[in-house]
Amino acid sequence: AQKVTQAQTEISVVEKEDVTLDCVYETRDTTYYLFWYKQPPSGELVFLIRRNSFDEQNEISGRYSWNFQKSTSSFNFTITASQVVDSAVYFCALISGGGADGLTFGKGTHLIIQP
Amino acid sequence: SQTIHQWPATLVQPVGSPLSLECTVEGTSNPNLYWYRQAAGRGLQLLFYSVGIGQISSEVPQNLSASRPQDRQFILSSKKLLLSDSGFYLCAWSGGLGVRETQYFGPGTRLLVL
Repeated sequence: AQKVTQAQTEISVVEKEDVTLDCVYETRDTTYYLFWYKQPPSGELVFLIRRNSFDEQNEISGRYSWNFQKSTSSFNFTITASQVVDSAVYFCALISGGGADGLTFGKGTHLIIQP
Repeated sequence: SQTIHQWPATLVQPVGSPLSLECTVEGTSNPNLYWYRQAAGRGLQLLFYSVGIGQISSEVPQNLSASRPQDRQFILSSKKLLLSDSGFYLCAWSGGLGVRETQYFGPGTRLLVL
């Protein structure tokens, strides 16, 4: 069975602070894919990043960066110099193997950026 | 570019009434299609997925059913709604290449059953 754990239910920081959202996953498959999605108040899930299990390189996209570590089964997400527009619920998700079944999501982290 | 539509955006229905939510995708062919439900608060659960017309897989037993009458159309239905069917329903699509393509989500439908 697969599992994704986002232990941080809610995080509140002041604008311009850096913040890291944690994600720990469990899977028995050697091939799997990890994702982060952002859910703003409107509700739509916005895709942020996809990473496969064979690529442990960290990735940076503007103020966003991701740290993938297979040794600790973690895929953490850092926002540098946070902004009010970053306020949202962030979901980490996992899918493994072949086929076309669905994502296993964590319960999400509600990020609040205070001005 | 690909676009995914869902309607209605919001729905309030009495217990025992039928339900039909529609999802359509534009700009792609042979997509994999998915229905997820997000209960009050958080947590997304996969309800159904489809790899082609008429092909539906169900992840959890429930009061709902899904159909895919056309390549880019996915419908979620119920004959009689329960209070527990309330939630936020999200449709998603991914490329149907057999690889773990990214799933892209629609704007969702908020359903309140009273």
